[in-house]
Amino acid sequence: KAGVTQTPRYLIKTRGQQVTLSCSPISGHRSVSWYQQTPGQGLQFLFEYFSETQRNKGNFPGRFSGRQFSNSRSEMNVSTLELGDSALYLCASSLEAAAGELFFGEGSRLTVL
Amino acid sequence: QKEVEQDPGPLSVPEGAIVSLNCTYSNSAFQYFMWYRQYSRKGPELLMYTYSSGNKEDGRFTAQVDKSSKYISLFIRDSQPSDSATYLCAPQTGANNLFFGTGTRLTVIP
Repeated sequence: KAGVTQTPRYLIKTRGQQVTLSCSPISGHRSVSWYQQTPGQGLQFLFEYFSETQRNKGNFPGRFSGRQFSNSRSEMNVSTLELGDSALYLCASSLEAAAGELFFGEGSRLTVL
Repeated sequence: QKEVEQDPGPLSVPEGAIVSLNCTYSNSAFQYFMWYRQYSRKGPELLMYTYSSGNKEDGRFTAQVDKSSKYISLFIRDSQPSDSATYLCAPQTGANNLFFGTGTRLTVIP
């Protein structure tokens, strides 16, 4: 069974640009969550989607957005990039919403110059 | 006050040592207490979890929860170099997966 797939794995952007990250969950998983991981703050929750609906949202500015498609694949977008957005962005899927074991992808490492 | 506080480490121990990793939390609604392990350049993976207070053992790993003091521990016996990773505690209410500790980086020296 394929795991959670995130693309791209690495990317470099400059301040002011925008970026879109993609996540394909494990087959059959309907919940997708996104996290930002930095050395200082650790793993911080961005948002969770279940059946194409955003269920929960973390304390991030509106520049961070996401969506989920009918096949459960998800994308997150960050607009007007800032240096502080440099981080590892992790996607996790689970069978049901906000419960049980999270299965993480390997992440997309974003560097903002 | 953050929802979850975790000893940041880093922690370096010799092979065979007993390791203690700890977290405290503030939300009394937490019912599930999960530990994730994250190897370098990988995503976290669930190591084990407990429900409510008490101990749970899985091989060399023991998870312990004291809800009265809001204290979570993970013990690793006979630590191995393959245990070298970052360990994240993640208490949950069961209604969301919002909170993770900042992680403790463990290095087991052969």
